[in-house]
Amino acid sequence: NAGVTQTPKFQVLKTGQSMTLQCAQDMNHNSMYWYRQDPGMGLRLIYYSASEGTTDKGEVPNGYNVSRLNKREFSLRLESAAPSQTSVYFCASSLLGGFEAYQPQHFGDGTRLSIL
Amino acid sequence: GENVEQHPSTLSVQEGDSAVIKCTYSDSASNYFPWYKQELGKGPQLIIDIRSNVGEKKDQRIAVTLNKTAKHFSLHITETQPEDSAVYFCAASYRSSNTGKLIFGQGTTLQVKP
Repeated sequence: NAGVTQTPKFQVLKTGQSMTLQCAQDMNHNSMYWYRQDPGMGLRLIYYSASEGTTDKGEVPNGYNVSRLNKREFSLRLESAAPSQTSVYFCASSLLGGFEAYQPQHFGDGTRLSIL
Repeated sequence: GENVEQHPSTLSVQEGDSAVIKCTYSDSASNYFPWYKQELGKGPQLIIDIRSNVGEKKDQRIAVTLNKTAKHFSLHITETQPEDSAVYFCAASYRSSNTGKLIFGQGTTLQVKP
């Protein structure tokens, strides 16, 4: 069972370059999420997609864009990378994103991104 | 805004001892509280969760307790083993734009010494 798959696993960029992080899930989940993880700060939500065709901002959306390509895939794009975006990025998915009957989130193994 | 505080940031125990990690949350409407274990180079993995209508939940050596009045919840690991060494995160749900999201604590690095 693949679960949540993220590509690439590692990437080094120069300031100003752009790139897209890919995420795909095979659990038929409706909701998908992008987080960044920085030392001592836990996981912070960048963007999420409650269902196919919808996206919305999380806590730290500046400098990022997302696309929910279909039910399986949710990509994160850095248009002009900055050193402050050096981080580990995690994609997650859950069956449903509703508040009243919250469903667990399942995470991929992350993309480690360094911006010089 | 919503906030989750997690303590301690690091915890070192001897194999066989118990470990306790505590979290407090700010939003009284939070109704779902998961705990994740993250091993080096991996993504967080759900190990146990509890909903607001339950005060305690146990799964083998792991238990979680919830005190809604005080707005805090705790993870208890008994008979710790070296393979329990990892970073543990608590989280609490909150409502935003009519959907549910999670806000995470800062993490606790648990070291179990053989």
